[in-house]
Amino acid sequence: ETGVTQSPTHLIKTRGQQVTLRCSSQSGHNTVSWYQQALGQGPQFIFQYYREEENGRGNFPPRFSGLQFPNYSSELNVNALELDDSALYLCASSLVGTRRETQYFGPGTRLLVL
Amino acid sequence: QKEVEQNSGPLSVPEGAIASLNCTYSDRGSQSFFWYRQYSGKSPELIMFIYSNGDKEDGRFTAQLNKASQYVSLLIRDSQPSDSATYLCAVNMGGNNRLAFGKGNQVVVIP
Repeated sequence: ETGVTQSPTHLIKTRGQQVTLRCSSQSGHNTVSWYQQALGQGPQFIFQYYREEENGRGNFPPRFSGLQFPNYSSELNVNALELDDSALYLCASSLVGTRRETQYFGPGTRLLVL
Repeated sequence: QKEVEQNSGPLSVPEGAIASLNCTYSDRGSQSFFWYRQYSGKSPELIMFIYSNGDKEDGRFTAQLNKASQYVSLLIRDSQPSDSATYLCAVNMGGNNRLAFGKGNQVVVIP
């Protein structure tokens, strides 16, 4: 157990809808990164939040957005869902300022878009 | 060129044998390297990290790093059926501290 929690565990949406995924970071960690993992692929970096601000973004469109709260928990929002958004969404927490900033993953949210 | 490449197909090893996994990366400035294990339907679990050239051993796992060749490997000694999983190589790309992952290598340990 990494101490990183995510909700919900599973979600089914239809194309065009919006979804919000939530993540609570490990105690003592101040940074949350979000990844998308399609079936049979490695995780792809979506973005990272540090001190409630976006601290880097991968190659994802603006309809993917996020928030970080003062308690370091985070949300990932996806608007106008597309079929290709079906994937496992992972959040990882880490502590900026520690050596190499190792990231620990939560259990993930599996999203299916119909 | 992909940032992190794991090119080997599924790897089947007999129980008790050594499983060897390889990974190459493109950014010569990368400083931190990780191996994650992912069981089917689960999230990645960190099993090793390495920052310096050479070998790092942790129990039955050994990570090897060669920065000059931009190459990272993982050896699993005395493989057990519980080691059957997909192994993901990840490289910290610096800058915004994002991890770039390879596609993963599936390992099947045959009893």
